[in-house]
Amino acid sequence: EAGVAQSPRYKIIEKRQSVAFWCNPISGHATLYWYQQILGQGPKLLIQFQNNGVVDDSQLPKDRFSAERLKGVDSTLKIQPAKLEDSAVYLCASSSETSGGTGELFFGEGSRLTVL
Amino acid sequence: AQSVTQLGSHVSVSEGALVLLRCNYSSSVPPYLFWYVQYPNQGLQLLLKYTSAATLVKGINGFEAEFKKSETSFHLTKPSAHMSDAAEYFCAVRPSGGYNKLIFGAGTRLAVHP
Repeated sequence: EAGVAQSPRYKIIEKRQSVAFWCNPISGHATLYWYQQILGQGPKLLIQFQNNGVVDDSQLPKDRFSAERLKGVDSTLKIQPAKLEDSAVYLCASSSETSGGTGELFFGEGSRLTVL
Repeated sequence: AQSVTQLGSHVSVSEGALVLLRCNYSSSVPPYLFWYVQYPNQGLQLLLKYTSAATLVKGINGFEAEFKKSETSFHLTKPSAHMSDAAEYFCAVRPSGGYNKLIFGAGTRLAVHP
């Protein structure tokens, strides 16, 4: 079974530029997550989709971050304009469970963003 | 809000020594708890999970964790460390109710030296 795919693995941009990350979850997984992992910290949930609808985006900085999951499969996370503090690894995860599940998430390898 | 606290951002052990990584949770009801491992430049991989069945949970690579409600703890242990265990370990909690998601602790970096 193929895992969660993410691209690009690495991206270096200057502040105020834009960047987009792509994620393809495990086939059949209804729930997709984007987490932000700043160096030395644990992953923080940015946005959660169930199928193609958003169920939690309470910690997404909506003035600069946006995400979509058209057709309920793959997803794109965009940052525009980027700030220095956006330097982090962006992890995509998916789960076959929606509500009431035990919580197991499957993670991709992440996209490392460096903002100069 | 439910959360987890990992005591010790860095732990260093000798090869063959006991590994003990600490995690405490805050929750008014028994939560679902997880340990994930992250190797350099990789994503997170599930080590084990507690879902209110047996309080002693066995995971992959010889790791286990014990859920102790009286101490609100879910510490991760391994009897004998191996060099390949060097990685970052994250404790996580699934908040009760609502949609399925995980809240992570800050992580503990484990170093294993010869």
